[in-house]
Amino acid sequence: DAKTTQPTSMDCAEGRAANLPCNHSTISGNEYVYWYRQIHSQGPQYIIHGLKNNETNEMASLIITEDRKSSTLILPHATLRDTAVYYCIVRSLGTDSWGKFQFGAGTQVVVTP
Amino acid sequence: DTGVSQDPRHKITKRGQNVTFRCDPISEHNRLYWYRQTLGQGPEFLTYFQNEAQLEKSRLLSDRFSAERPKGSFSTLEIQRTEQGDSAMYLCASSSRATSGSADTQYFGPGTRLTVL
Repeated sequence: DAKTTQPTSMDCAEGRAANLPCNHSTISGNEYVYWYRQIHSQGPQYIIHGLKNNETNEMASLIITEDRKSSTLILPHATLRDTAVYYCIVRSLGTDSWGKFQFGAGTQVVVTP
Repeated sequence: DTGVSQDPRHKITKRGQNVTFRCDPISEHNRLYWYRQTLGQGPEFLTYFQNEAQLEKSRLLSDRFSAERPKGSFSTLEIQRTEQGDSAMYLCASSSRATSGSADTQYFGPGTRLTVL
């Protein structure tokens, strides 16, 4: 699986959009980009995933660049409850019969009033 | 609540004791994963089951660790002769992969926090 690079931390004002970058310059064609978040002392929570196209769900939007070497997770209206560590993960789904997620250190996002 | 449950949520034990954790995945999910997370780090993969077959084990899973999924439903993770270095959050996740090459989203449980004194 390709490695990802994320900023260590970022702050966001409540009510504003939070844009979380992720670099995955060695991504290959069959690798998905996943985003999870982890609120303190809880299990990771699935947010969104994508392959090539931009994706949107009730939690967030995922923008993947055309060359797929980077992506941005957008939380449209950040709330205090969005304070968490956000993980960007690239995972190959090729023909393998199993698949582990390789988590990095993630981005600590703090939403302030 | 993702539908993945873990028991117990917290466990305090003395060094040298054996502990066992249980994970109940989402009922229709055929894949089950165990991860370990230490303070300030992201989760690290330990092992993976597809139905009752254990298909992959990390080098992190020493011979003191054993995992089972006897009927392809719930799973247990046992640590024998616990050491202080085993103190961590143990996370379980499950998924259901419909076809090869399709997305395989994992849903995590709340974790079991182990403290070894």
